[in-house]
Amino acid sequence: LAKTTQPISMDSYEGQEVNITCSHNNIATNDYITWYQQFPSQGPRFIIQGYKTKVTNEVASLFIPADRKSSTLSLPRVSLSDTAVYYCLVGGGTGFQKLVFGTGTRLLVSP
Amino acid sequence: EAQVTQNPRYLITVTGKKLTVTCSQNMNHEYMSWYRQDPGLGLRQIYYSMNVEVTDKGDVPEGYKVSRKEKRNFPLILESPSPNQTSLYFCASSLLPGQYNSPLHFGNGTRLTVT
Repeated sequence: LAKTTQPISMDSYEGQEVNITCSHNNIATNDYITWYQQFPSQGPRFIIQGYKTKVTNEVASLFIPADRKSSTLSLPRVSLSDTAVYYCLVGGGTGFQKLVFGTGTRLLVSP
Repeated sequence: EAQVTQNPRYLITVTGKKLTVTCSQNMNHEYMSWYRQDPGLGLRQIYYSMNVEVTDKGDVPEGYKVSRKEKRNFPLILESPSPNQTSLYFCASSLLPGQYNSPLHFGNGTRLTVT
């Protein structure tokens, strides 16, 4: 099982770009990298998923280097509503059997 | 609306009194799972199910039971709750486990307090 390591917390200001890095040194060949966002008292919500290189959608970008031992979630021009906990999840390549979430990164966006 | 529904949202009980937390999804997902979330420990998987009548243990299964008799429902059972099971619980489902762009869909959680 790929274990992930993320910073515990990050601070930013509105309008800035935020990059959250996740380390996953023992990622398996078939594993995907998925990021989730969680607001207080709500379940995590899917943000973005990737396997290698760069993936972009309407809310974020995901950068994955060639060795895939880490990944970086990039949130462009954050707003107050982006204050949340962000989880990096590695797995799923051979089924979602035992999915190991990390402790997440608590992002605080200030005015 | 596609969703995962958990009930109840809040539950306070006493040690040893059996309880069930229900989870239902309306997306025809094969995969369902239960997690508990505790401060500083993130999300930990309790049990998962790959399909009807197929269940298996996650990382923290002790003290919990599950069943999957129908595709849409995956109840979490605590036969004899103890205070260390006080936690926030989440149910999640996925259409095709292991497939790209088939992420987990989470319910809104059940906050359980065992006194």
